[in-house]
Amino acid sequence: DIVMTQTPLSLSVTPGQPASISCKSSQSLLHGDGKTYLYWYLQKPGQSPQLLIYEVYKQLSGVPDRFSGSGSGTDFTLEISRVEAEDVGVYYCMQSKQLPVTFGGGTKVEIK
Amino acid sequence: QIELVQSGAEVRKPGASVKVSCQTSGYIFSNYAIAWLRQAPGQGPEWMGWISGHNTNTNYAQKFRGRIIMTTDTSTSTAYMELRSLRSDDTAVYYCARDLSGSYYFGYWFDPWGQGTLVTVSS
Repeated sequence: DIVMTQTPLSLSVTPGQPASISCKSSQSLLHGDGKTYLYWYLQKPGQSPQLLIYEVYKQLSGVPDRFSGSGSGTDFTLEISRVEAEDVGVYYCMQSKQLPVTFGGGTKVEIK
Repeated sequence: QIELVQSGAEVRKPGASVKVSCQTSGYIFSNYAIAWLRQAPGQGPEWMGWISGHNTNTNYAQKFRGRIIMTTDTSTSTAYMELRSLRSDDTAVYYCARDLSGSYYFGYWFDPWGQGTLVTVSS
């Protein structure tokens, strides 16, 4: 199975400041079809996970543009340009290049 | 809007089975597959498997093969997940989610997710 490792485990951020979350995979997520199957989800407290970013950097419609994704191969980053109170929760990266689909352990973002 | 509404919480004894439903609305059911995932307390999500929205094709995670069955009822746009031989470590919130990939073997991505169904396995 592809292992997804996220850092840090938790992050406490002042509103308006940036935040960055790292996700590393144990194998390259670049598929032979040229796509990289790396996704980012946010699970707000008491809610189901919601998709933020697909295929590394593509934003789902309706997701604020303060969220951005980058990376390639085995190293990926989710950045929040200016954290807002509504951004609190646990962020997960997920790969689906190879089955089984696997998730990172999560990064908890809190507001200072 | 697109919604996936799951059945309510369940409590089962070890060795029993549980069947969770996922009623969808707001999109053409047969155009998308449904994935099932679970999340144990304090853990990240775990993918359990996938079922096509227009035929009976399934793809189960190796970990669950032999004790999981996924089905659909296209007349009611509802998906079902049955897990057998329950153990205490099957205690988790179970989610259904629409798969947007259109693929069978890889590239799955999930949006939206249902609200989750808590399954508690305890003697």
